[in-house]
Amino acid sequence: EADIYQTPRYLVIGTGKKITLECSQTMGHDKMYWYQQDPGMELHLIHYSYGVNSTEKGDLSSESTVSRIRTEHFPLTLESARPSHTSQYLCASSETGVTGELFFGEGSRLTVL
Amino acid sequence: AQSVTQLGSHVSVSEGALVLLRCNYSSSVPPYLFWYVQYPNQGLQLLLKYTTGATLVKGINGFEAEFKKSETSFHLTKPSAHMSDAAEYFCAVSDPGGSYIPTFGRGTSLIVHP
Repeated sequence: EADIYQTPRYLVIGTGKKITLECSQTMGHDKMYWYQQDPGMELHLIHYSYGVNSTEKGDLSSESTVSRIRTEHFPLTLESARPSHTSQYLCASSETGVTGELFFGEGSRLTVL
Repeated sequence: AQSVTQLGSHVSVSEGALVLLRCNYSSSVPPYLFWYVQYPNQGLQLLLKYTTGATLVKGINGFEAEFKKSETSFHLTKPSAHMSDAAEYFCAVSDPGGSYIPTFGRGTSLIVHP
Protein backbone atom coordinates (compact mmCIF):
# COMPACT_ATOMS: atom_id res chain seq x y z
CA GLU A 1 0.00 0.00 0.00
CA ALA A 2 1.48 3.34 -1.08
CA ASP A 3 2.13 5.93 1.60
CA ILE A 4 2.91 8.67 -0.89
CA TYR A 5 0.27 9.71 -3.35
CA GLN A 6 0.45 11.68 -6.57
CA THR A 7 -2.45 13.11 -8.57
CA PRO A 8 -3.19 13.20 -11.38
CA ARG A 9 -1.45 10.08 -12.68
CA TYR A 10 -1.88 11.23 -16.28
CA LEU A 11 -2.61 14.71 -17.63
CA VAL A 12 -2.89 15.99 -21.20
CA ILE A 13 -3.28 19.74 -21.54
CA GLY A 14 -2.80 22.54 -24.04
CA THR A 15 0.02 25.05 -24.16
CA GLY A 16 -0.33 28.01 -21.82
CA LYS A 17 -2.46 26.28 -19.19
CA LYS A 18 -1.62 26.42 -15.49
CA ILE A 19 -1.25 23.05 -13.85
CA THR A 20 -0.60 21.77 -10.35
CA LEU A 21 0.69 18.29 -9.61
CA GLU A 22 -0.27 17.14 -6.14
CA CYS A 23 1.88 15.05 -3.80
CA SER A 24 0.96 13.91 -0.31
CA GLN A 25 2.65 11.54 2.14
CA THR A 26 1.40 9.98 5.35
CA MET A 27 4.77 8.91 6.78
CA GLY A 28 5.54 12.16 8.60
CA HIS A 29 8.76 12.62 6.62
CA ASP A 30 10.39 16.03 6.77
CA LYS A 31 12.17 15.86 3.42
CA MET A 32 10.29 15.81 0.13
CA TYR A 33 11.49 15.92 -3.46
CA TRP A 34 10.36 16.35 -7.05
CA TYR A 35 12.26 14.53 -9.79
CA GLN A 36 11.80 14.79 -13.54
CA GLN A 37 12.20 11.54 -15.46
CA ASP A 38 12.68 11.21 -19.22
CA PRO A 39 13.35 7.90 -21.04
CA GLY A 40 16.99 6.83 -20.91
CA MET A 41 18.01 9.73 -18.71
CA GLU A 42 18.96 10.14 -15.07
CA LEU A 43 16.31 11.18 -12.62
CA HIS A 44 16.85 14.91 -12.36
CA LEU A 45 16.14 16.63 -9.05
CA ILE A 46 14.13 19.81 -9.71
CA HIS A 47 12.92 20.79 -6.22
CA TYR A 48 13.27 19.66 -2.63
CA SER A 49 12.20 20.67 0.83
CA TYR A 50 13.67 20.09 4.29
CA GLY A 51 10.35 20.80 6.00
CA VAL A 52 7.51 23.29 6.33
CA ASN A 53 8.26 26.64 4.69
CA SER A 54 11.50 25.27 3.21
CA THR A 55 11.92 24.95 -0.57
CA GLU A 56 15.11 24.63 -2.61
CA LYS A 57 15.88 24.32 -6.31
CA GLY A 58 17.53 21.14 -7.46
CA ASP A 59 20.22 20.36 -10.01
CA LEU A 60 18.00 20.76 -13.06
CA SER A 61 16.69 24.21 -13.85
CA SER A 62 12.93 24.17 -13.96
CA GLU A 63 10.24 26.74 -14.64
CA SER A 64 8.02 25.07 -12.07
CA THR A 65 7.51 26.24 -8.49
CA VAL A 66 6.72 24.38 -5.27
CA SER A 67 5.32 25.16 -1.84
CA ARG A 68 5.46 23.40 1.54
CA ILE A 69 2.78 24.78 3.84
CA ARG A 70 2.06 21.43 5.50
CA THR A 71 4.46 18.59 6.28
CA GLU A 72 2.46 16.07 4.30
CA HIS A 73 1.82 18.14 1.16
CA PHE A 74 4.30 19.28 -1.55
CA PRO A 75 2.54 20.47 -4.73
CA LEU A 76 4.35 21.44 -7.93
CA THR A 77 2.94 24.20 -10.16
CA LEU A 78 3.58 25.23 -13.75
CA GLU A 79 2.11 28.68 -14.43
CA SER A 80 2.15 28.31 -18.22
CA ALA A 81 2.77 24.83 -19.59
CA ARG A 82 4.78 24.31 -22.78
CA PRO A 83 5.50 21.19 -24.86
CA SER A 84 9.04 21.15 -23.39
CA HIS A 85 7.44 20.39 -20.01
CA THR A 86 6.19 17.05 -21.29
CA SER A 87 7.72 14.48 -18.95
CA GLN A 88 7.11 12.18 -15.99
CA TYR A 89 7.28 13.86 -12.60
CA LEU A 90 8.09 11.74 -9.54
CA CYS A 91 7.51 12.86 -5.96
CA ALA A 92 9.46 11.29 -3.11
CA SER A 93 10.04 11.67 0.62
CA SER A 94 12.64 10.64 3.17
CA GLU A 95 13.41 10.84 6.86
CA THR A 96 15.85 13.59 7.80
CA GLY A 97 19.45 12.49 8.19
CA VAL A 98 18.80 8.79 7.62
CA THR A 99 20.81 7.28 4.74
CA GLY A 100 19.04 9.06 1.89
CA GLU A 101 16.60 6.23 1.19
CA LEU A 102 13.67 7.66 -0.77
CA PHE A 103 10.03 6.58 -0.87
CA PHE A 104 8.42 7.35 -4.23
CA GLY A 105 4.93 8.00 -5.47
CA GLU A 106 3.68 6.38 -8.67
CA GLY A 107 4.38 9.45 -10.77
CA SER A 108 2.45 12.01 -12.80
CA ARG A 109 2.86 11.78 -16.56
CA LEU A 110 2.32 15.21 -18.14
CA THR A 111 1.79 15.77 -21.86
CA VAL A 112 1.56 19.33 -23.14
CA LEU A 113 0.20 19.71 -26.66
CA ALA B 1 30.40 15.93 -6.16
CA GLN B 2 29.07 12.44 -6.61
CA SER B 3 28.08 10.61 -9.78
CA VAL B 4 26.80 7.23 -10.89
CA THR B 5 27.50 5.33 -14.09
CA GLN B 6 25.36 2.38 -15.10
CA LEU B 7 26.97 0.38 -17.90
CA GLY B 8 24.46 -0.70 -20.50
CA SER B 9 21.10 0.96 -21.01
CA HIS B 10 19.62 -2.46 -21.79
CA VAL B 11 20.53 -5.93 -20.52
CA SER B 12 18.86 -9.00 -22.02
CA VAL B 13 18.88 -12.41 -20.34
CA SER B 14 17.02 -15.69 -20.66
CA GLU B 15 14.71 -16.84 -17.91
CA GLY B 16 16.78 -18.80 -15.39
CA ALA B 17 20.06 -17.11 -16.34
CA LEU B 18 22.27 -14.97 -14.12
CA VAL B 19 21.39 -11.30 -13.91
CA LEU B 20 24.27 -8.80 -13.61
CA LEU B 21 23.62 -5.06 -13.69
CA ARG B 22 26.67 -2.86 -13.36
CA CYS B 23 27.02 0.32 -11.32
CA ASN B 24 30.13 2.41 -10.70
CA TYR B 25 30.16 5.53 -8.62
CA SER B 26 32.39 8.43 -7.76
CA SER B 27 32.29 10.06 -4.38
CA SER B 28 34.71 12.06 -2.27
CA VAL B 29 33.64 10.21 0.88
CA PRO B 30 32.51 6.64 1.64
CA PRO B 31 29.03 6.67 0.16
CA TYR B 32 25.67 5.17 0.85
CA LEU B 33 24.56 3.11 -2.16
CA PHE B 34 21.14 2.03 -3.37
CA TRP B 35 19.42 0.01 -6.05
CA TYR B 36 15.84 0.85 -6.98
CA VAL B 37 13.46 -0.95 -9.35
CA GLN B 38 10.75 0.66 -11.45
CA TYR B 39 7.99 -1.39 -13.04
CA PRO B 40 6.03 0.10 -15.96
CA ASN B 41 3.81 3.05 -15.02
CA GLN B 42 4.95 2.95 -11.39
CA GLY B 43 7.32 4.85 -9.16
CA LEU B 44 10.65 3.55 -7.88
CA GLN B 45 10.89 1.12 -4.97
CA LEU B 46 13.97 0.21 -2.98
CA LEU B 47 15.59 -3.15 -3.77
CA LEU B 48 18.52 -2.89 -1.36
CA LYS B 49 20.95 -0.46 0.20
CA TYR B 50 24.47 -0.35 1.57
CA THR B 51 25.27 2.03 4.41
CA THR B 52 27.92 0.46 6.66
CA GLY B 53 29.03 -3.01 7.75
CA ALA B 54 28.84 -6.10 5.57
CA THR B 55 29.70 -5.31 1.97
CA LEU B 56 27.43 -8.01 0.52
CA VAL B 57 23.87 -6.78 0.81
CA LYS B 58 20.77 -8.86 0.22
CA GLY B 59 17.54 -7.31 -0.97
CA ILE B 60 14.04 -8.22 -2.00
CA ASN B 61 13.10 -10.67 -4.76
CA GLY B 62 16.42 -12.58 -4.51
CA PHE B 63 18.66 -9.69 -5.56
CA GLU B 64 21.97 -8.88 -3.92
CA ALA B 65 24.80 -6.41 -4.45
CA GLU B 66 28.38 -6.13 -3.27
CA PHE B 67 30.11 -2.90 -2.35
CA LYS B 68 33.71 -2.97 -3.62
CA LYS B 69 35.51 0.13 -2.48
CA SER B 70 38.69 -0.58 -4.47
CA GLU B 71 36.65 -0.82 -7.68
CA THR B 72 34.13 1.91 -6.73
CA SER B 73 31.43 -0.52 -7.79
CA PHE B 74 28.06 -1.74 -6.51
CA HIS B 75 26.91 -4.31 -9.07
CA LEU B 76 23.48 -5.93 -8.72
CA THR B 77 23.10 -9.69 -9.24
CA LYS B 78 20.46 -12.38 -9.12
CA PRO B 79 21.30 -16.07 -9.70
CA SER B 80 18.22 -16.91 -11.76
CA ALA B 81 16.09 -14.43 -13.68
CA HIS B 82 12.29 -14.59 -13.67
CA MET B 83 9.99 -13.03 -16.22
CA SER B 84 8.66 -10.81 -13.44
CA ASP B 85 12.12 -9.23 -13.03
CA ALA B 86 11.70 -7.32 -16.30
CA ALA B 87 11.83 -3.67 -15.24
CA GLU B 88 14.03 -0.57 -15.10
CA TYR B 89 16.78 -0.61 -12.46
CA PHE B 90 18.41 2.51 -11.03
CA CYS B 91 21.61 2.75 -9.01
CA ALA B 92 21.97 5.74 -6.66
CA VAL B 93 24.60 7.19 -4.34
CA SER B 94 24.23 9.60 -1.43
CA ASP B 95 26.77 11.44 0.69
CA PRO B 96 26.41 10.58 4.39
CA GLY B 97 28.45 13.62 5.35
CA GLY B 98 26.32 16.03 3.39
CA SER B 99 22.69 16.46 2.46
CA TYR B 100 21.98 12.72 1.93
CA ILE B 101 20.16 13.67 -1.29
CA PRO B 102 20.87 10.80 -3.70
CA THR B 103 22.24 11.08 -7.22
CA PHE B 104 20.80 8.57 -9.67
CA GLY B 105 22.23 6.78 -12.69
CA ARG B 106 20.49 6.64 -16.08
CA GLY B 107 18.94 3.29 -15.38
CA THR B 108 19.27 -0.14 -17.00
CA SER B 109 16.32 -1.84 -18.62
CA LEU B 110 16.32 -5.57 -17.84
CA ILE B 111 14.69 -7.71 -20.54
CA VAL B 112 13.94 -11.34 -19.71
CA HIS B 113 13.31 -13.79 -22.54
CA PRO B 114 11.32 -17.00 -22.02
